[in-house]
Amino acid sequence: DGGITQSPKYLFRKEGQNVTLSCEQNLNHDAMYWYRQDPGQGLRLIYYSQIVNDFQKGDIAEGYSVSREKKESFPLTVTSAQKNPTAFYLCASSIDIFGDTEAFFGQGTRLTVV
Amino acid sequence: QKEVEQNSGPLSVPEGAIASLNCTYSDRGSQSFFWYRQYSGKSPELIMFIYSNGDKEDGRFTAQLNKASQYVSLLIRDSQPSDSATYLCAVRLDAGNMLTFGGGTRLMVKP
Repeated sequence: DGGITQSPKYLFRKEGQNVTLSCEQNLNHDAMYWYRQDPGQGLRLIYYSQIVNDFQKGDIAEGYSVSREKKESFPLTVTSAQKNPTAFYLCASSIDIFGDTEAFFGQGTRLTVV
Repeated sequence: QKEVEQNSGPLSVPEGAIASLNCTYSDRGSQSFFWYRQYSGKSPELIMFIYSNGDKEDGRFTAQLNKASQYVSLLIRDSQPSDSATYLCAVRLDAGNMLTFGGGTRLMVKP
């Protein structure tokens, strides 16, 4: 089945620790995205990538980093510079970023700082 | 500054009634509009999109777009308890721009 897989579903991070969230898609989509969602809030864009080896900052990129070495994979690293990382993280993909293409979402990773 | 505004709710309607969800946006050049449904703790799923003024119907769902007034709405007819979720409005300025999401409206359909 085609889709987007995020792992892990739950992740706990200690203060000062970097953690990496995995996102893999087998939809052959060029564009991939990372969003952050806080309780009762909408989605805010962290980073997006239109093509392999290229990515752009979104609205809240500070304290995060990404890579796009393969079309299928777009991992997100939450660094120690992100002071309030506890949130629900959603990865999405779409055919491209143009036109009326919808975004398909993974099941999300809930990150908690302990 | 791109903004998409939604009433956070909760909006409570009885089973079988019409639920009306509204979304306003600030950028007059916005071209594409999407409605997503998100159950608690789950990821958003697309319900429908619209990009022309007027109504677009899909089953029990109707999206309405009024670009002059800068609002888009979602009507859910014959509301069911299973429709209870948060509904997210998303707007795209034009091709090559990212979706901007509103904060979502929580809908509660009571049996």
